[in-house]
Amino acid sequence: NAGVTQTPKFQVLKTGQSMTLQCAQDMNHNSMYWYRQDPGMGLRLIYYSASEGTTDKGEVPNGYNVSRLNKREFSLRLESAAPSQTSVYFCASSEGTLHTDTQYFGPGTRLTVL
Amino acid sequence: AQSVTQLGSHVSVSEGALVLLRCNYSSSVPPYLFWYVQYPNQGLQLLLKYTSAATLVKGINGFEAEFKKSETSFHLTKPSAHMSDAAEYFCAVSDGGTSYGKLTFGQGTILTVHP
Repeated sequence: NAGVTQTPKFQVLKTGQSMTLQCAQDMNHNSMYWYRQDPGMGLRLIYYSASEGTTDKGEVPNGYNVSRLNKREFSLRLESAAPSQTSVYFCASSEGTLHTDTQYFGPGTRLTVL
Repeated sequence: AQSVTQLGSHVSVSEGALVLLRCNYSSSVPPYLFWYVQYPNQGLQLLLKYTSAATLVKGINGFEAEFKKSETSFHLTKPSAHMSDAAEYFCAVSDGGTSYGKLTFGQGTILTVHP
């Protein structure tokens, strides 16, 4: 099992450009999540998808959109990138939405917006 | 709403010494608590989790944590540090209310292990 995979690993954008971060999991998990990690701030939830066909906003959704393409894939789109979106982005998945469910994380995408 | 505070953004220990990473939580309902570890340039990996079954939780790599409701704490310990423990550690809480499955993370503690 590859677990949770993310592409690309690194990306540099100019302000105003758009891009999509891809995430896929092969664990047959129902729930998927997008976080951003900034120094000294831990991880903050951007969007999550409790199950295929549903998405909900997290703590910091502004400037982002998501698509739960199918059970395996959950993409994050930046329509018009801003320097404040420079961050490391992590995708995660869990079997369900129970409070005790473990979230499994991908390796991350390091995004720089100039 | 729940929150997590990790005391100390950096902790430095000698190899073989006790590791103690502090985590305090705030939650209006019984919490579920997690410790994750992040090695350089990698994603987060679960170390252990508290799910109300036992207050002392044992995890991977010799780590354990004790849930203390009276102190609203969930500190992570390891009796003897190893060089391979150098990483960033995150405490997280998932409260038992309506925000099912969503974790709130602390700001992280970077552990340095000196030979």
